[in-house]
Amino acid sequence: DAKTTQPPSMDCAEGRAANLPCNHSTISGNEYVYWYRQIHSQGPQYIIHGLKNNETNEMASLIITEDRKSSTLILPHATLRDTAVYYCIVRNSGGSNYKLTFGKGTLLTVNP
Amino acid sequence: EAGVAQSPRYKIIEKRQSVAFWCNPISGHATLYWYQQILGQGPKLLIQFQNNGVVDDSQLPKDRFSAERLKGVDSTLKIQPAKLEDSAVYLCASSGGQGIHEQYFGPGTRLTVT
Repeated sequence: DAKTTQPPSMDCAEGRAANLPCNHSTISGNEYVYWYRQIHSQGPQYIIHGLKNNETNEMASLIITEDRKSSTLILPHATLRDTAVYYCIVRNSGGSNYKLTFGKGTLLTVNP
Repeated sequence: EAGVAQSPRYKIIEKRQSVAFWCNPISGHATLYWYQQILGQGPKLLIQFQNNGVVDDSQLPKDRFSAERLKGVDSTLKIQPAKLEDSAVYLCASSGGQGIHEQYFGPGTRLTVT
């Protein structure tokens, strides 16, 4: 699976959009981009995933560049409860091995 | 829908003792995972089960760790004997059906080895 690079920390004001970047320059054609988050003392929580197209769900939007070498997770209106570590993961969805390889992620702190 | 259940939530043991963790995945989920998360790091996969068969245990320290999922439902992870460096949160996750892209994690078991 391709390696990802994320900033170690970011701050965001409550009510504003949080834009979390991720670099995955070695991604291959059959690898998906996944985002999970982990709130303090909880297990990770799935947010969203995408292959080529931009994706949106009730939690967030995922913007993937045309060359697929980077992506941005967007939380449109951040709240204090969005303070968490956000993990960007690249994974091949083929076969039966669904292992997620987590890095250190980005600690997003939403400030009042 | 009930989530992934784990017990105990906390465990403190002395080095060289043994310990076991239990996980009950979401009903109907065929795939079960055990991850180890050391403080300040992201979770690391220890073992993945598909029903009651092992798909990936390449990062499981097999000299001291063992895991089983005998009936393809719940699972236990055992450490014997424990070392100081085994202090971590042990997370269980499950996935299944059409949701192979989503893994659902339990709250974890925090193990402290003294």
